[in-house]
Amino acid sequence: DTGVSQDPRHKITKRGQNVTFRCDPISEHNRLYWYRQTLGQGPEFLTYFQNEAQLEKSRLLSDRFSAERPKGSFSTLEIQRTEQGDSAMYLCASSYDRASGNTIYFGEGSWLTVV
Amino acid sequence: DQQVKQNSPSLSVQEGRISILNCDYTNSMFDYFLWYKKYPAEGPTFLISISSIKDKNEDGRFTVFLNKSAKHLSLHIVPSQPGDSAVYFCAASAGTLSGSARQLTFGSGTQLTVLP
Repeated sequence: DTGVSQDPRHKITKRGQNVTFRCDPISEHNRLYWYRQTLGQGPEFLTYFQNEAQLEKSRLLSDRFSAERPKGSFSTLEIQRTEQGDSAMYLCASSYDRASGNTIYFGEGSWLTVV
Repeated sequence: DQQVKQNSPSLSVQEGRISILNCDYTNSMFDYFLWYKKYPAEGPTFLISISSIKDKNEDGRFTVFLNKSAKHLSLHIVPSQPGDSAVYFCAASAGTLSGSARQLTFGSGTQLTVLP
């Protein structure tokens, strides 16, 4: 399967701890996105990479959040000093830049529970 | 400010009948629209999309209609099957046709239940 892969799928952590999620996009895709989804809501945009460059960040991405895509391939999303409000599903997605439409393909998500 | 709205949180339809899911948007800069399907504890799965230069796009049992003047789109599923039961999200992006699209803006979703 060459879809978007996320790891871990589930993470339970104590408040104040740091967590890191990894995303491997579809191999030929040059764009990578991070979204967050909470219960009853649609996914909310967090940040976006074009190759290795982080081009856009949402105001939802506080200074406790950092994302990297060091070689333009996989990406990591780190949350420092986690808070209970960080509990959500973190979705990674990727796409290939084409004029006919920017269809974004999602991974299966990483569930974070902060206790 | 919710730019993409799905006003029906849930919809129940009998198997074999048509399911119609609706979505409204407010941002006139949106030029590309997508529907995603989501099962619990999984990521959204892409279903079908439509560019603002079209008013209809069909793929098998799924058809998306776009009414730009009303800023409204709908997803029709015919015939509906029990396996279609899931949450359906409408999403939109701006700047796709000029190659500058970045993020998707999602609605809050509609839970479709197809009854056998």
